[in-house]
Amino acid sequence: GQSLEQPSEVTAVEGAIVQINCTYQTSGFYGLSWYQQHDGGAPTFLSYNALDGLEETGRFSSFLSRSDSYGYLLLQELQMKDSASYFCAVRDGYSGAGSYQLTFGKGTKLSVIP
Amino acid sequence: NAGVTQTPKFQVLKTGQSMTLQCAQDMNHNSMYWYRQDPGMGLRLIYYSASEGTTDKGEVPNGYNVSRLNKREFSLRLESAAPSQTSVYFCASTINPGVRFFGPGTRLTVL
Repeated sequence: GQSLEQPSEVTAVEGAIVQINCTYQTSGFYGLSWYQQHDGGAPTFLSYNALDGLEETGRFSSFLSRSDSYGYLLLQELQMKDSASYFCAVRDGYSGAGSYQLTFGKGTKLSVIP
Repeated sequence: NAGVTQTPKFQVLKTGQSMTLQCAQDMNHNSMYWYRQDPGMGLRLIYYSASEGTTDKGEVPNGYNVSRLNKREFSLRLESAAPSQTSVYFCASTINPGVRFFGPGTRLTVL
């Protein structure tokens, strides 16, 4: 079966750096995505890694190691507005007609404190 | 561009009632999805539509039906609502493999 593991909660100080890890076991693997969701809001796309290595987008970076079935999201210069839930998601199948399946982790609730 | 829109935003139903959740996207995406989100459970796929005219079951399809009305619209129907269907429902669309664009969600309570 498919499984994704990420910590349920993380707390970090404003201005610091935090890393949210994701390990996965899936029958197929094509890439790892990260999403941010504020309380009461919709998930929003942050990043997608199909190849090993680090992808940087502003204060956020995402890393993938396919050999270790592992990835992480790195948030730098934390701001209060970064308090949210973060979900990793594995692209693990092709459904035809250009559609791909994503399996989501249960999410990590990040609390940024002053 | 409105992106992905959903109606209604909130709904309360009694057990056994039926309703349809509406979703539309204006990004010309082929693929559309319905997810439910429950506390501590992440996002679970209910149904998806890879392209206009096709629909397929996801992880948790029981108790739901869908219609891909045209390329823009993808509706989710609950024929006989049950308390276990109390959840937040998100519609999403995509044109890229790892990306989903989500609507604002419908918060449904079944009493």
